[in-house]
Amino acid sequence: GAGVSQSPSNKVTEKGKDVELRCDPISGHTALYWYRQSLGQGLEFLIYFQGNSAPDKSGLPSDRFSAERTGGSVSTLTIQRTQQEDSAVYLCASSRRGGQGNTGELFFGEGSRLTVL
Amino acid sequence: AQSVAQPEDQVNVAEGNPLTVKCTYSVSGNPYLFWYVQYPNRGLQFLLKYITGDNLVKGSYGFEAEFNKSQTSFHLKKPSALVSDSALYFCAVRGSSGGYNKLIFGAGTRLAVHP
Repeated sequence: GAGVSQSPSNKVTEKGKDVELRCDPISGHTALYWYRQSLGQGLEFLIYFQGNSAPDKSGLPSDRFSAERTGGSVSTLTIQRTQQEDSAVYLCASSRRGGQGNTGELFFGEGSRLTVL
Repeated sequence: AQSVAQPEDQVNVAEGNPLTVKCTYSVSGNPYLFWYVQYPNRGLQFLLKYITGDNLVKGSYGFEAEFNKSQTSFHLKKPSALVSDSALYFCAVRGSSGGYNKLIFGAGTRLAVHP
């Protein structure tokens, strides 16, 4: 597709279960980001991948959160032992390039809405 | 550390009137500044950016923004608001030096344009 694709669009899970959220960036984009947005609020940075460099994980809120990016393309965000406070919309974005001096804008997916009961 | 402040949670304006959504920032080095818009239940859409050059940048849907280095501001403006402009607007900044590669967003400002 032409845009950033995220799945599932909606996920309802029970407290304590693990969830995986997937992101397919725009083809050729080397930078990929995950953000979290709670109840129409601001965007909280989670993690940033740039090419083969070590990811910037400084935004991950706890060790229950992890993410990987396989082959420099698709990314999966995993939340283990979900808690109710994890309920939010998880947004993925990609850009043409990253690194120092990156001036490119981010292209966002529609998001994955996670509800933890 | 880099940061973005959007001091207004909500801005109300009548259709046809000019609108301003405020943004101030703090970053090391020269800033790269962005505005995004989010319509209900949608992802974010890019509006415009300032990288270098002319302080007044023009973007999508008739929006523009003015970079003011001395005031560290990047306010979003539109001469004549439309009801369809009602949405959530985010300012974002990325530093140009050091390892500040990630884009940091403000808390967002909800724009309500009334007929």
